[in-house]
Amino acid sequence: AQSVTQLDSHVSVSEGTPVLLRCNYSSSYSPSLFWYVQHPNKGLQLLLKYTSAATLVKGINGFEAEFKKSETSFHLTKPSAHMSDAAEYFCVVSKGGGFKTIFGAGTRLFVKA
Amino acid sequence: DTEVTQTPKHLVMGMTNKKSLKCEQHMGHRAMYWYKQKAKKPPELMFVYSYEKLSINESVPSRFSPECPNSSLLNLHLHALQPEDSALYLCASSSTGGNGYTFGSGTRLTVV
Repeated sequence: AQSVTQLDSHVSVSEGTPVLLRCNYSSSYSPSLFWYVQHPNKGLQLLLKYTSAATLVKGINGFEAEFKKSETSFHLTKPSAHMSDAAEYFCVVSKGGGFKTIFGAGTRLFVKA
Repeated sequence: DTEVTQTPKHLVMGMTNKKSLKCEQHMGHRAMYWYKQKAKKPPELMFVYSYEKLSINESVPSRFSPECPNSSLLNLHLHALQPEDSALYLCASSSTGGNGYTFGSGTRLTVV
């Protein structure tokens, strides 16, 4: 069985400061892990993915995430927040796609000027 | 072409109407998905077509009917919907290699 927990429902940062969005997962086998971003009234966009290669994964728009098997975590970071980063972020665990793809509840990121 | 195109973007329908949502991709992906997303919630998977074979979320009511005319097209037929079916309906596609999904921008459905 798989599950994913996003530890914060809301995160608020000031523009230019670092972003940390936390995600823990549970899986009985080596899963693939993803982060998606969703801007208001839009579809989801893939930010980055971990598929058992390098544990530090770089994505689009300056985001990166580190897979830590010992901590079962896959936290999303960005060194400097931009106003355009304000959105909903979803952590996803998957083994084979389809109904074996589980979405976290989401974290709303607010960016203050 | 790296997009999933959904039409229409907005749809308002009465509870006795029949309508269809459409989705198209030309990335050669052999898996396509319909998701339902309520406000402030993650997407919920409704249907999967993998190599044009259908898998169903058993909790989805029969008033939703998917169709996959070919590997590039996906339809969702709607009939006798209820107001609680109002939501954002998202189409997605993927290769079968576990590389993540490409989502469309969704159809905002309102049932009145």
